[in-house]
Amino acid sequence: GAGVSQSPSNKVTEKGKDVELRCDPISGHTALYWYRQSLGQGLEFLIYFQGNSAPDKSGLPSDRFSAERTGGSVSTLTIQRTQQEDSAVYLCASSLAGVGYGYTFGSGTRLTVV
Amino acid sequence: QKEVEQDPGPLSVPEGAIVSLNCTYSNSAFQYFMWYRQYSRKGPELLMYTYSSGNKEDGRFTAQVDKSSKYISLFIRDSQPSDSATYLCAINTGGFKTIFGAGTRLFVKA
Repeated sequence: GAGVSQSPSNKVTEKGKDVELRCDPISGHTALYWYRQSLGQGLEFLIYFQGNSAPDKSGLPSDRFSAERTGGSVSTLTIQRTQQEDSAVYLCASSLAGVGYGYTFGSGTRLTVV
Repeated sequence: QKEVEQDPGPLSVPEGAIVSLNCTYSNSAFQYFMWYRQYSRKGPELLMYTYSSGNKEDGRFTAQVDKSSKYISLFIRDSQPSDSATYLCAINTGGFKTIFGAGTRLFVKA
């Protein structure tokens, strides 16, 4: 596709349930990022994938969060045993290697934990 | 202290006004400076980026970086209602991790 695709666009889940968020990056973009955006907060870095290298997971807030990227393309962010504080917009971005190109973001998944 | 500080606003201006949006940062190692625009319920989109100090102009938009003061600015001339959005500054040392400001909500009234 022409842009970064994220699904679902909205997700309401009960506290304690697991959720999976999907990101389909732009074809040919080797770098993929997950960020979290809470109301009034900046984008919080979660995880970074670059090609076949080991991902940088330094931003994951707890061991309930994990992510994988299959075949260097589609990525899935999984949150286990969701808590109310996990409610936020989860944004995925991809880029060509090199910061000068900037990121192309998807529209995000709005997660609400009730 | 946060690495990037940005006034969240909201900032409300009349159509045609000049808008000034600003961020300060703390780490002198930052070299890449970007501005993203985010419309409601959409992801941020890259508006402009600059490397090191100086000005960069693109149409009605001018990005300015003052590394000595650790201060970056985005100016919007002849603002339009379609410019109403949240503007996020973003900075990077040249590595993979980009630090984003909290974003300033801008409203341009017709």
